[in-house]
Amino acid sequence: GESVGLHLPTLSVQEGDNSIINCAYSNSASDYFIWYKQESGKGPQFIIDIRSNMDKRQGQRVTVLLNKTVKHLSLQIAATQPGDSAVYFCAENMDYGGSQGNLIFGKGTKLSVKP
Amino acid sequence: EAGVAQSPRYKIIEKRQSVAFWCNPISGHATLYWYQQILGQGPKLLIQFQNNGVVDDSQLPKDRFSAERLKGVDSTLKIQPAKLEDSAVYLCASSLRRQAYEQYFGPGTRLTVT
Repeated sequence: GESVGLHLPTLSVQEGDNSIINCAYSNSASDYFIWYKQESGKGPQFIIDIRSNMDKRQGQRVTVLLNKTVKHLSLQIAATQPGDSAVYFCAENMDYGGSQGNLIFGKGTKLSVKP
Repeated sequence: EAGVAQSPRYKIIEKRQSVAFWCNPISGHATLYWYQQILGQGPKLLIQFQNNGVVDDSQLPKDRFSAERLKGVDSTLKIQPAKLEDSAVYLCASSLRRQAYEQYFGPGTRLTVT
């Protein structure tokens, strides 16, 4: 079946650099996307979300870009810090047919920040 | 505000044994979700409750998995009998309403089946 996927399983960046984590999705019916951060031994933590009627959304140090033409989602982290080291997941939601609340997660990208 | 609580945090059992996980959602959250996260993968939704009713259990392996939320607050997820492939982290999440956003996750229970 269709599912959210990721281009890179691991990403290593220098502290202070910007990070870009990519995600590809295959279902054109998806209308809502979320990025989660998961630290070791913890549950996923919401970072930022975006709806399909937007192509960019900014938060504190994070920006999510959505390209519906090529079904691509990215998370940009500015001035990456050691505390950003974690696994990052993108998730999609197809809000139809009673599927409200159902999130479909990708496999994740592990971000390592070198001091 | 207290987060989603889960127990136990770790459990090791032998295949064919039974196991149960407990979840206490954030106070006032009507919707509760159980996810299974296999090592190296993203979480996969198993079941979704709205108050004490099941609204989606399409991905729950019902021959061995069961879940309940009798009073619309706490929930338990049971596996009976367990298989090796059930080894995973079981995450509980809750939200105010049945929605994709603002789902708050607990720390999870790591199950190892030997």
